[in-house]
Amino acid sequence: EDQVTQSPEALRLQEGESSSLNCSYTVSGLRGLFWYRQDPGKGPEFLFTLYSAGEEKEKERLKATLTKKESFLHITAPKPEDSATYLCAVQGNAGKSTFGDGTTLTVKP
Amino acid sequence: ETGVTQTPRHLVMGMTNKKSLKCEQHLGHNAMYWYKQSAKKPLELMFVYNFKEQTENNSVPSRFSPECPNSSHLFLHLHTLQPEDSALYLCASSQGLELKGSYGYTFGSGTRLTVV
Repeated sequence: EDQVTQSPEALRLQEGESSSLNCSYTVSGLRGLFWYRQDPGKGPEFLFTLYSAGEEKEKERLKATLTKKESFLHITAPKPEDSATYLCAVQGNAGKSTFGDGTTLTVKP
Repeated sequence: ETGVTQTPRHLVMGMTNKKSLKCEQHLGHNAMYWYKQSAKKPLELMFVYNFKEQTENNSVPSRFSPECPNSSHLFLHLHTLQPEDSALYLCASSQGLELKGSYGYTFGSGTRLTVV
């Protein structure tokens, strides 16, 4: 059974204070690892797909990396508008995604 | 505005009521999903449809009944629900499951369901 574990559960940062979120996973035949952002009362919004170990993707202050066992979402010089819950999901051979519990990020001005 | 639209946004229903949630996408996707999101829990997959055919029922109680009349529309029919069914119900779509690539989901904004 595919499994995803995210840490920490919650992260509070000062504006400009860089940090990383972790996603550890086990999956049968990785087809892709996804990062989503979810704001309160809304559905998750797709951020990145990573396909193979060593791959990196960037978008504004966010950078996602992938190894064979985990993925990191690095946040550089975050702003208050980066506050959200960040979800990690893996997709295996069956083609459906398994989600982690998420990390709730709060960035204080 | 996302490519997946869910209605209603909020729903309060009694345990003896019957109601339906609606999901619509015009992204040309062939797979559609229902997820349940409860507080402090990860997203729980409920149903998967691929080209209108149900491919997954994740041990969901029969008081939840999905319907997929075409690749653009998905419904979740609700009857005799319990208070513990209160949650955010999310619809998502993606390109077809049979494709060899890996595709992210496009989610709707969800229906916040409260069972009283």
